Amino acid sequence: GQQVMQIPQYQHVQEGEDFTTYCNSSTTLSNIQWYKQRPGGHPVFLIQLVKSGEVKKQKRLTFQFGEAKKNSSLHITATQTTDVGTYFCAGYQTGANNLFFGTGTRLTVIP
Amino acid sequence: NAGVTQTPKFRILKIGQSMTLQCTQDMNHNYMYWYRQDPGMGLKLIYYSVGAGITDKGEVPNGYNVSRSTTEDFPLRLELAAPSQTSVYFCASSRGVGYEQYFGPGTRLTVT
Repeated sequence: GQQVMQIPQYQHVQEGEDFTTYCNSSTTLSNIQWYKQRPGGHPVFLIQLVKSGEVKKQKRLTFQFGEAKKNSSLHITATQTTDVGTYFCAGYQTGANNLFFGTGTRLTVIP
Repeated sequence: NAGVTQTPKFRILKIGQSMTLQCTQDMNHNYMYWYRQDPGMGLKLIYYSVGAGITDKGEVPNGYNVSRSTTEDFPLRLELAAPSQTSVYFCASSRGVGYEQYFGPGTRLTVT
């Protein structure tokens, strides 16, 4: 069945350091979405990537969709304490009605 | 717009009890979803609906039931609660396939 894995599972960084999380799917995805969940909160949509090789930026966040549409990454430059939370990727398999969520990467930023 | 609302926020159930988790959205979204999130884990899809009167099983449907009589409401029923159902339950909605999902604040359920 569909599997979406993320690495690392946990990441601790000093404030100001960069952070990257990687998302890998066992099957080709029609698109990929990224969500952020603050501690004790609910997932909040960040962005969607649709095209092979697509790169999108949101301020200090850079999102990339792989050429084969089976992997993606999120890179945060110069982390801040407000970046703390768990980052999930989620993808639609072609023809499917539901998102498959990745396992998540929990980011801790040490001030 | 309130977005997606869920009640209750917290609930403690005894083993064998039943309850209904309520979910309502005011965005006129056709698609609605129920997920569970165990501590420190990702989201697992329980059931979803692509419109009123239509529901389908997700990854972990056992022990749960849903109904979708209106576009706005998508209640999740737990029958004969078990400790394995201790989790945080999130309801979400979206315009359709390929669109972002909007999540409710969650219901934290403990079964003892």
